[in-house]
Amino acid sequence: EAEVAQSPRYKITEKSQAVAFWCDPISGHATLYWYRQILGQGPELLVQFQDESVVDDSQLPKDRFSAERLKGVDSTLKIQPAELGDSAMYLCASSTHRGVETQYFGPGTRLLVL
Amino acid sequence: AQKVTQAQTEISVVEKEDVTLDCVYETRDTTYYLFWYKQPPSGELVFLIRRNSFDEQNEISGRYSWNFQKSTSSFNFTITASQVVDSAVYFCALSEGAGANNLFFGTGTRLTVIP
Repeated sequence: EAEVAQSPRYKITEKSQAVAFWCDPISGHATLYWYRQILGQGPELLVQFQDESVVDDSQLPKDRFSAERLKGVDSTLKIQPAELGDSAMYLCASSTHRGVETQYFGPGTRLLVL
Repeated sequence: AQKVTQAQTEISVVEKEDVTLDCVYETRDTTYYLFWYKQPPSGELVFLIRRNSFDEQNEISGRYSWNFQKSTSSFNFTITASQVVDSAVYFCALSEGAGANNLFFGTGTRLTVIP
């Protein structure tokens, strides 16, 4: 069964350092999402791509976060510089196309900022 | 305002007991979709069910069943004859409108099934 791949699974970094997360969606899925899940809470959308275009990044802290999906397939989420409050699970999801299609999630990257 | 409320933070049941997880949502849209996801300790969100606002028929899938009631804005999830493998955090989520696809998640309910 096709799955969303994410790496790394775990990341420990010091504040002010740069970190990057990678996501490879299910093959053929045009829409890709990055969510942030703080411990004890539900995931919250950071950015949504349709192919290589950003369709919603209203909740992305653009002073330190950036996301790209250059060829409309895999995607990278970057944080620079990392802050203590960025410690969270970063989840990637994909769906077949924009519209209300079911989102399938990857295993996530657990980030700890010291 | 919270769009999805899961009032039960944690529930513990003994194996083979039935358990119901509550979900109350809030939206002004007439077209919307409701979802349940399971998050085991490994962290991955596993899709369980999707229901649109025009389909109030209850659904059963094995030991899982869902009760959608628009009159009370609720979409509750029942596990029958619970098993230890059901232990996880369960999230209810809402997607509003016919074209948007942003999921608004509740805060989750942690279910522990005791052997």
